[in-house]
Amino acid sequence: EAGVVQSPRYKIIEKKQPVAFWCNPISGHNTLYWYRQNLGQGPELLIRYENEEAVDDSQLPKDRFSAERLKGVDSTLKIQPAELGDSAVYLCASSDPSGGASSNEQFFGPGTRLTVL
Amino acid sequence: QQQVKQSPQSLIVQKGGISIINCAYENTAFDYFPWYQQFPGKGPALLIAIRPDVSEKKEGRFTISFNKSAKQFSLHIMDSQPGDSATYFCAARGYSSASKIIFGSGTRLSIRP
Repeated sequence: EAGVVQSPRYKIIEKKQPVAFWCNPISGHNTLYWYRQNLGQGPELLIRYENEEAVDDSQLPKDRFSAERLKGVDSTLKIQPAELGDSAVYLCASSDPSGGASSNEQFFGPGTRLTVL
Repeated sequence: QQQVKQSPQSLIVQKGGISIINCAYENTAFDYFPWYQQFPGKGPALLIAIRPDVSEKKEGRFTISFNKSAKQFSLHIMDSQPGDSATYFCAARGYSSASKIIFGSGTRLSIRP
């Protein structure tokens, strides 16, 4: 079974430029997450989708970040314009909550490493 | 109150030794405590997890010890191997599967051959 797929793996841009990240979750996983992982830190949730609905976007900086999950499968995360402080690894994860509250294991993709110059 | 504090930041252990990583939390609403393993260039992967109704969970060489009254939990890696060298994150979330997972800051573990 294929895991969570993300692209690109690496992206280098200059500040004020736009950038977009793409995620394809594990087939059948209705819940999709975007995390940001700063160097030497644990992942921090940016947004969570249940199918195509964003159910928790409280940590998403909405002035420059946007996300969408059309048709409840693939998702894109966009930053416009990028700032120096946005340099981080952006992780996508997916889960299948049908296993109940005790499961809901999140499966992470390899991430996109963003460098803003 | 949402934080999960993790220590040490880095750890070097000889092959065959025991690696111990500690975490503490404040929010008593947390009800699920997973540990994740992350290799360079990869996303975190679930290693082992525990609910607060038990004090210990063992899976192979990996053991979680949980102290509910102290609000602390730890990961023990027995017979540590060079392949265990990775960054380990403790985490916590509430009972609902929809609860947000709060990650610790990570421990970079190096196993010396």
